[in-house]
Amino acid sequence: DAKTTQPNSMESNEEEPVHLPCNHSTISGTDYIHWYRQLPSQGPEYVIHGLTSNVNNRMASLAIAEDRKSSTLILHRATLRDAAVYYCILRDPYSGGGADGLTFGKGTHLIIQP
Amino acid sequence: GAVVSQHPSWVICKSGTSVKIECRSLDFQATTMFWYRQFPKQSLMLMATSNEGSKATYEQGVEKDKFLINHASLTLSTLTVTSAHPEDSSFYICSARGPGRSNQPQHFGDGTRLSIL
Repeated sequence: DAKTTQPNSMESNEEEPVHLPCNHSTISGTDYIHWYRQLPSQGPEYVIHGLTSNVNNRMASLAIAEDRKSSTLILHRATLRDAAVYYCILRDPYSGGGADGLTFGKGTHLIIQP
Repeated sequence: GAVVSQHPSWVICKSGTSVKIECRSLDFQATTMFWYRQFPKQSLMLMATSNEGSKATYEQGVEKDKFLINHASLTLSTLTVTSAHPEDSSFYICSARGPGRSNQPQHFGDGTRLSIL
């Protein structure tokens, strides 16, 4: 899987939007951008994924740059429960038949201030 | 959504004991499941890929004789840590890819915290 770069930590206030950046300058044409988050003492949780177009779901939005070399996970209104480590991971479903495990980087530790 | 259940949540046992961890996909069939390990303040590291009906594929540096994986059905994979020692103490997490296209997300269990005394 191609490498991603994320800030080690970010801090935001409760009920404000949060923009979590991810750089992936070596992304290939078939790499999907996946985001997972891990709350303390829990397994990771899927957040969102996309290929080229921006994506929205009930948890978050994913904004993908036109050249796909970066993306931003947007939490529209952060709550204390959103405090977690957020991982940006590239996945090529055509590599290994989608049967490969995920390669986790260090992620971004999101701190939410009340 | 798809749910993966992992049991037990935590285990404390003496050095030399073997410990079995179960990972179940509750509402879908998973031909492939994954086992990860996470040490304190570190990220998840893939240990092995569990394939239903065949041998597991282990990542480099992971001892297959120490970490026994069995994937006997489409909904259950087990990881047995044999003759566990304090250095095996870690957070073990399983996952399964959801059904359908290969770009579907993975669904994770809540992890098993293993402490070896």
